[in-house]
Amino acid sequence: RKEVEQDPGPFNVPEGATVAFNCTYSNSASQSFFWYRQDCRKEPKLLMSVYSSGNEDGRFTAQLNRASQYISLLIRDSKLSDSATYLCVARRGGFKTIFGAGTRLFVKA
Amino acid sequence: SAVISQKPSRDICQRGTSLTIQCQVDSQVTMMFWYRQQPGQSLTLIATANQGSEATYESGFVIDKFPISRPNLTFSTLTVSNMSPEDSSIYLCSVVDSRTSTDTQYFGPGTRLTVL
Repeated sequence: RKEVEQDPGPFNVPEGATVAFNCTYSNSASQSFFWYRQDCRKEPKLLMSVYSSGNEDGRFTAQLNRASQYISLLIRDSKLSDSATYLCVARRGGFKTIFGAGTRLFVKA
Repeated sequence: SAVISQKPSRDICQRGTSLTIQCQVDSQVTMMFWYRQQPGQSLTLIATANQGSEATYESGFVIDKFPISRPNLTFSTLTVSNMSPEDSSIYLCSVVDSRTSTDTQYFGPGTRLTVL
């Protein structure tokens, strides 16, 4: 079993749709959590950190449930430019960072 | 945010040869890492590059195959030795910027390696 698991997708949604990505992690020692975005043939870039209290950045909302070891990302009002691969990330002590395999999103006009 | 550059951006190499990838950061960083991303896969940590001491390798990666140097806080190299087609991958340098409240991790643009 992978330490960080994501639905690989792809998710194909129309512009304006709301889409939710889920992620689970197996190591309870994980302390910090993030969502990264990776465009085709580009390096990953931090989208947002994830906190237990939930956090929002514009159209993006991230949530962490430590009891269930579950992380989510919600994208509202999807734009064409949101098409990318979204990587769920868990970090343990010593900056040991584990990346999920990624969820591919295609937003269509 | 930390700005990272890598050289070369891509290369095509013959099996049995070696390639050294350079990573330069625009600021001093404590934590520097090397990752590999194989086609269609996510990122796998190869090693943590430690300044002034030997790198710390993850399971499945060894120093003889992936020697790493880190002479100072802004620069590191990764060598892929005695390459085989299985080494074809994107190699990414990464740093943690401790100046941010969440110790944000940044990635270089990657080096796309093809081994024939």
